[in-house]
Amino acid sequence: AQSVTQLDSQVPVFEEAPVELRCNYSSSVSVYLFWYVQYPNQGLQLLLKYLSGSTLVKGINGFEAEFNKSQTSFHLRKPSVHISDTAEYFCAVRDFTSGGSNYKLTFGKGTLLTVNP
Amino acid sequence: NAGVTQTPKFRILKIGQSMTLQCTQDMNHNYMYWYRQDPGMGLKLIYYSVGAGITDKGEVPNGYNVSRSTTEDFPLRLELAAPSQTSVYFCASSYLDSEQFFGPGTRLTVL
Repeated sequence: AQSVTQLDSQVPVFEEAPVELRCNYSSSVSVYLFWYVQYPNQGLQLLLKYLSGSTLVKGINGFEAEFNKSQTSFHLRKPSVHISDTAEYFCAVRDFTSGGSNYKLTFGKGTLLTVNP
Repeated sequence: NAGVTQTPKFRILKIGQSMTLQCTQDMNHNYMYWYRQDPGMGLKLIYYSVGAGITDKGEVPNGYNVSRSTTEDFPLRLELAAPSQTSVYFCASSYLDSEQFFGPGTRLTVL
């Protein structure tokens, strides 16, 4: 079964500093990859997704992620964070090992990004 | 479009009571999902549906039931509520391989 590891449960940074949130997944077969953001007391919103094509994916709010198949990673980056980026970030993977009818996502446990002034 | 809506936003239940969490989407999505979110644990899939009349279990289905009589609605039923079901519940929908769209959540406490 697919598993997703977010290596840091909490990441504190100062405003305008760069940040990287790490995500590794277990299966090396064909995958779709997603990053979601959850602001306090809200549902999840899609930040970006990798389905195919270029391994560097750009999302909303200045975030980007790079798909690395050999390292089974999909790390999220932002060159300069704002206070408003404070939120929990979830990495999710959909793999194709269960056949084409499986549209379920496996989520990581989340990384709480706290941006301090 | 309202997207995915969930009711109620908050609920407190006593042990042994039952309730239904409502979920409606207006995007004509085939696929709908129910997740629970517990602190530090990410999201766990409870049940999902690939279309009206078709449902299947996820990772943590015990203590829950679902039905899907229409494309738009996917209610989650809790029978005999237990403290272990205290959680935040999210409904989501998707069109085949596209990303999932999430509702705002229902915060449930069982005392």
